[in-house]
Amino acid sequence: GDSVTQMEGPVTLSEEAFLTINCTYTATGYPSLFWYVQYPGEGLQLLLKATKADDKGSNKGFEATYRKETTSFHLEKGSVQVSDSAVYFCALITTQGGSEKLVFGKGTKLTVNP
Amino acid sequence: DTGVSQDPRHKITKRGQNVTFRCDPISEHNRLYWYRQTLGQGPEFLTYFQNEAQLEKSRLLSDRFSAERPKGSFSTLEIQRTEQGDSAMYLCASSFGLNTGELFFGEGSRLTVL
Repeated sequence: GDSVTQMEGPVTLSEEAFLTINCTYTATGYPSLFWYVQYPGEGLQLLLKATKADDKGSNKGFEATYRKETTSFHLEKGSVQVSDSAVYFCALITTQGGSEKLVFGKGTKLTVNP
Repeated sequence: DTGVSQDPRHKITKRGQNVTFRCDPISEHNRLYWYRQTLGQGPEFLTYFQNEAQLEKSRLLSDRFSAERPKGSFSTLEIQRTEQGDSAMYLCASSFGLNTGELFFGEGSRLTVL
């Protein structure tokens, strides 16, 4: 079945460091790809998305590019802030076989120190 | 606040007891999803509704689990004869129209089975 694999965490960075969180996927058909974020004590919220190959999703300084050739959707940010500390989930959705649901990776916990 | 609300936020119960969780989605959203999240894992799909119709159920949803959305508005998730393995965070999410993967999540209901 469809699945998402994220890099293992936790990730600890200093403020203003460069962030990459790797995500690869396995899916039949052409999935849409997402990054969700869960801040401490809050519900998951959509961070960014890309619906087709070579699309770049971006929001709040984060970016991810849909790479069909490498089945990847890595999350990047050039300069992280303490407020970016959260758990980040890569996810995909397909509509194969009439099923429409988000499939999530295990999550990567990011801690940014001042 | 007109986000997704879940109740109760925390539930502690003894093994063998029944528990029920309620979810109130964003009012204009016709799709409602239940996910389960355990420590260190991403959310796992349980079931979803379009209006009052339950369109898909995961194999994770054993016979002890039942979900309803009687009037296409709020939903309940009941777990009968709880087991320690049911301890998890139960997440509700809603969306409008065709599923684009953009789900709005509540803060979750944490279940602890002793």
